[in-house]
Amino acid sequence: QQQVKQSPQSLIVQKGGISIINCAYENTAFDYFPWYQQFPGKGPALLIAIRPDVSEKKEGRFTISFNKSAKQFSLHIMDSQPGDSATYFCAASDQTGANNLFFGTGTRLTVIP
Amino acid sequence: GAGVSQSPSNKVTEKGKDVELRCDPISGHTALYWYRQSLGQGLEFLIYFQGNSAPDKSGLPSDRFSAERTGGSVSTLTIQRTQQEDSAVYLCASSYRNGLAFFGQGTRLTVV
Repeated sequence: QQQVKQSPQSLIVQKGGISIINCAYENTAFDYFPWYQQFPGKGPALLIAIRPDVSEKKEGRFTISFNKSAKQFSLHIMDSQPGDSATYFCAASDQTGANNLFFGTGTRLTVIP
Repeated sequence: GAGVSQSPSNKVTEKGKDVELRCDPISGHTALYWYRQSLGQGLEFLIYFQGNSAPDKSGLPSDRFSAERTGGSVSTLTIQRTQQEDSAVYLCASSYRNGLAFFGQGTRLTVV
């Protein structure tokens, strides 16, 4: 059973546009929601993360929006650039360590110049 | 070291042979994860170690796969009697706080 559901599987955006990736979870014990970025041939790298006590977190062009009641969270990439082309994974975990770190299935983002 | 180190970076083995993949986590990180990633695919969870707790082995695909973590630090993933479908990149990650995980560069395993 997929603990974290992610969509879309792939995304093509024009340079300067907004990229939006959505994730949903069921386990209410999750209290930490990181996003990872992976370039070809590299391991995933932490991009940005949010806790459920806030509804939004912004770091530069990257914003996480969090809807606790709907158990959904999303990544917005503003002013998307070709260098943002990568695979993005959302994840969820329990800060107490009782739960594992569960990943979504990934979204392959392509930003067209 | 400064980051998670995995070795070897590439491994080519013959079908039926055993392989060992090594992960050196970031010093002080209590949690260690192994994932498998096939070409263009997502992260398939294999096993999770957290401190001195019993590992979560629920993701291991068969009894040919095993992993250990010695002294709460270095981990070895062993695949016995390798099959062609085992070909993938094996990723290790470690974390101090669950969720804030740092990944290694992975070991690309090719079974011929």
